[in-house]
Amino acid sequence: GDSVTQMEGPVTLSEEAFLTINCTYTATGYPSLFWYVQYPGEGLQLLLKATKADDKGSNKGFEATYRKETTSFHLEKGSVQVSDSAVYFCALRGNTGGFKTIFGAGTRLFVKA
Amino acid sequence: GAVVSQHPSRVICKSGTSVKIECRSLDFQATTMFWYRQFPKQSLMLMATSNEGSKATYEQGVEKDKFLINHASLTLSTLTVTSAHPEDSSFYICSARWDPQETQYFGPGTRLLVL
Repeated sequence: GDSVTQMEGPVTLSEEAFLTINCTYTATGYPSLFWYVQYPGEGLQLLLKATKADDKGSNKGFEATYRKETTSFHLEKGSVQVSDSAVYFCALRGNTGGFKTIFGAGTRLFVKA
Repeated sequence: GAVVSQHPSRVICKSGTSVKIECRSLDFQATTMFWYRQFPKQSLMLMATSNEGSKATYEQGVEKDKFLINHASLTLSTLTVTSAHPEDSSFYICSARWDPQETQYFGPGTRLLVL
């Protein structure tokens, strides 16, 4: 079945450092891919998405490119801020079986001032 | 983006009581709503999918008599945890969408603590 694998955390960075959180997926067909962010005590917020190969999703300085050849959707940001500290979830939505969204395990990011 | 609300945001109850959590889509009609459960420092586990006007579809291992889901209108779904026990303590998150190929929007979550 469909699955999402993302790098384990926690990831600890200093402010203004470069961020990469790796995400790879397994799916049949052509899923849509998402990154969600969860701040402490809150629900999930959609950060960015890409619906087809080579699409780049971007928002708030974060970017991720849908790479079908490597089945990846890595999240990057050039300069993180303390306010980016949160848990980041990579997810895919298949185009069969009720279009369910499957989540990765989440990666916790700590950004130090 | 679209807004999904949940109520209450936090609830504490005694073991054996039932708790109802509401999920509302505030600015769109949600043909499908999802209920997730999240344990501390873990990912979201899909519990069930509900389509307006029909019975919910539960994921394997989720007791449908324990977690009653009602999706009576296009803007409201409820999850009732019946005869709650301490092991039901968790963070419950709902999600909604108006079209299968559109993005799911998530509520802020409800933290349930059963004493």
